[in-house]
Amino acid sequence: AQTVTQSQPEMSVQEAETVTLSCTYDTSESDYYLFWYKQPPSRQMILVIRQEAYKQQNATENRFSVNFQKAAKSFSLKISDSQLGDAAMYFCAYRSLTDSNYQLIWGAGTKLIIKP
Amino acid sequence: DTGVSQDPRHKITKRGQNVTFRCDPISEHNRLYWYRQTLGQGPEFLTYFQNEAQLEKSRLLSDRFSAERPKGSFSTLEIQRTEQGDSAMYLCASSLGVAGANVLTFGAGSRLTVL
Repeated sequence: AQTVTQSQPEMSVQEAETVTLSCTYDTSESDYYLFWYKQPPSRQMILVIRQEAYKQQNATENRFSVNFQKAAKSFSLKISDSQLGDAAMYFCAYRSLTDSNYQLIWGAGTKLIIKP
Repeated sequence: DTGVSQDPRHKITKRGQNVTFRCDPISEHNRLYWYRQTLGQGPEFLTYFQNEAQLEKSRLLSDRFSAERPKGSFSTLEIQRTEQGDSAMYLCASSLGVAGANVLTFGAGSRLTVL
């Protein structure tokens, strides 16, 4: 069974600085999707960025980018120019391409604190 | 379309009472998921629907939990004879259910507190 591990329960960064959140996963599959979701306090979970495993190029969305290391089964999220609005829980998630139920396997999350 | 709506946002109840949560997904989404989330944890899958059919239920879902999605539109999640261990955030998400990323759109959640 697949698992997702986020080893950093909490991270803090100074506003305008760069921070990297770690995620590792375990799978025997070769094709899958990886996601980072953001959950601000008392607000809904929203998708930050996604990566298809067959794509070697790292996904980028404005200030958010990933470092996808398929062989190492690592999927870290880099946030550049951190802003106060980035403060949230960040969840890494895995989705198998062979599962027709499209189930997501979630990590435990990393709480990101932005220091003004 | 304003996204996925959940009601109520907060519910406080006494142990043993029944509670019902409602989720209105994005109208064109045919898949609807229910998750439970406790503080400091990622979401735990409870059940999901494709249109009106409930296709999978987690082993976590005891017989006190029931979910419906009549006519493949909104969904309800009912918890009977609530226990303190049911206190959690109940999240609803919907998706187009097409092959590919199947990106989930989440609601803001319904927080349940059982006294």
